[in-house]
Amino acid sequence: RKEVEQDPGPFNVPEGATVAFNCTYSNSASQSFFWYRQDCRKEPKLLMSVYSSGNEDGRFTAQLNRASQYISLLIRDSKLSDSATYLCVVRSGGYNKLIFGAGTRLAVHP
Amino acid sequence: NAGVTQTPKFQVLKTGQSMTLQCAQDMNHNSMYWYRQDPGMGLRLIYYSASEGTTDKGEVPNGYNVSRLNKREFSLRLESAAPSQTSVYFCASSARGRDSPLHFGNGTRLTVT
Repeated sequence: RKEVEQDPGPFNVPEGATVAFNCTYSNSASQSFFWYRQDCRKEPKLLMSVYSSGNEDGRFTAQLNRASQYISLLIRDSKLSDSATYLCVVRSGGYNKLIFGAGTRLAVHP
Repeated sequence: NAGVTQTPKFQVLKTGQSMTLQCAQDMNHNSMYWYRQDPGMGLRLIYYSASEGTTDKGEVPNGYNVSRLNKREFSLRLESAAPSQTSVYFCASSARGRDSPLHFGNGTRLTVT
C-alpha cells in the first residue's frame, strides 16, 4: 500500500462546479499536511497547508480527518484556470520526510 | 527575488555519461532536497540536506551523489547515467520547522538514451 494515495482522475467538471478531492495516508503519526498544485510541465506550487481545524482560502477549503487518516480539498465555483494536477503531501517521521501522492488531475471545461 | 534556481532546464545524455545538476536558493533556507518525478509515481526523494554540511539519502538514492556546497547551493551528480534515470528532476528548499512547505525550482528534464 502506498503511504499517500490519491484518485488519479481525471475529474472533468464544468465551470462553476464544486469538486472535491480526497487523499488517504497510512502513517498515523504524520504531522503536517499540504496541498500543492502542479501545472503541466511546471514545478509544484504550494496551494495551502491543511490544519487540524480545517482552513479556507477563497474558493478552496482543506480539511483533515486524523481518525480516518485522510485530507480533502474542496474547490467551489471552478474556473478554467483551476485545471491542473493537485498533489497531496504528508510529512511523516523526521521533519524532512515529505511524501507526495501521485496527484489528481482536474480539467475544468467551459 | 529568484527563489530556487535550477540549471540546466533540459539535458540529453548517452548511457554512461556523467553530469551535475545545479541548484541554488536565495531564501536563506536551511533544508534543500532533490526529487525526481516520473509519470504516475509522484515525486520521490533522492537526497536531502537538513543543513549546510549534512546530506542524507532519500527513497531512491542509487546512482546519484550530492554536494551541499554552502547554505545556498545543493548539486546532484549522475556519475554514469542510465536510461532508468530519464525523469524530471526538481530541487526544493524549505525553512526549518515542521509546518514549513517546500519551494521548488523549475525542474530539469533529463533524457538518457
